[in-house]
Amino acid sequence: EVQLVESGGGLVQPGGSLRLSCAASGFTVNSNYMNWVRQAPGKGLEWVSVIYSGGSTYYVDSVKGRFTISRDNSKNTVYLQMNSLRVEDTAVYYCARVGSDHEAFDIWGQGTMVTVSS
Amino acid sequence: QSALTQPASVSGSPGQSITISCTGTSSDVGGFNYVSWYQQHPGKAPKLMIYDVNNRPSGVSNRFSGSKSGNTASLTISGLQAEDEADYYCNSYTSSSTWVFGGGTKLTVL
Repeated sequence: EVQLVESGGGLVQPGGSLRLSCAASGFTVNSNYMNWVRQAPGKGLEWVSVIYSGGSTYYVDSVKGRFTISRDNSKNTVYLQMNSLRVEDTAVYYCARVGSDHEAFDIWGQGTMVTVSS
Repeated sequence: QSALTQPASVSGSPGQSITISCTGTSSDVGGFNYVSWYQQHPGKAPKLMIYDVNNRPSGVSNRFSGSKSGNTASLTISGLQAEDEADYYCNSYTSSSTWVFGGGTKLTVL
């Protein structure tokens, strides 16, 4: 079964760090574009970051210099390292795959909640 | 990286058709045939409904259709059903090699 399972969310103080994990099964993460998408409480979806199959990475402006996306092919897992966290980073973080024959997010994880608060 | 523009809410009665618009720029919606639409029920992960402007993934009802003209894409739902009540988001690939979502539209089935 093709699926994504996120983990690593939790409560962290402003300025703190957290690493999210996204374990994939049924496909290989290095053959697809893997993304992180977040949703603040009561708000809409916001695309956060992508790691392309070739390894290139891109970020939304609001997290540049603070977040880093990476992958471990041996573990078939994608990560989001989040540093210098702000209250406005509070959200459910979803991992999402772009399919191999289109440019849309066809597989989503269940999400992991990140709360930044003192 | 401005969000795509969607109406905040739309509504319709069972059996009717509704259309949700999604307006971007020539750097996203207008520049690529890579517009997708997602349905999200409360507390659930988003679900892909339309990809690459007007294609339906396997298992998605043919009551859902997509189109695009210039910088504006549209999602049409025909034969509205109670279970269609949800939030809908458009998304586009951009010239910066990133993606951008719309602000979301809440669909109410009256």
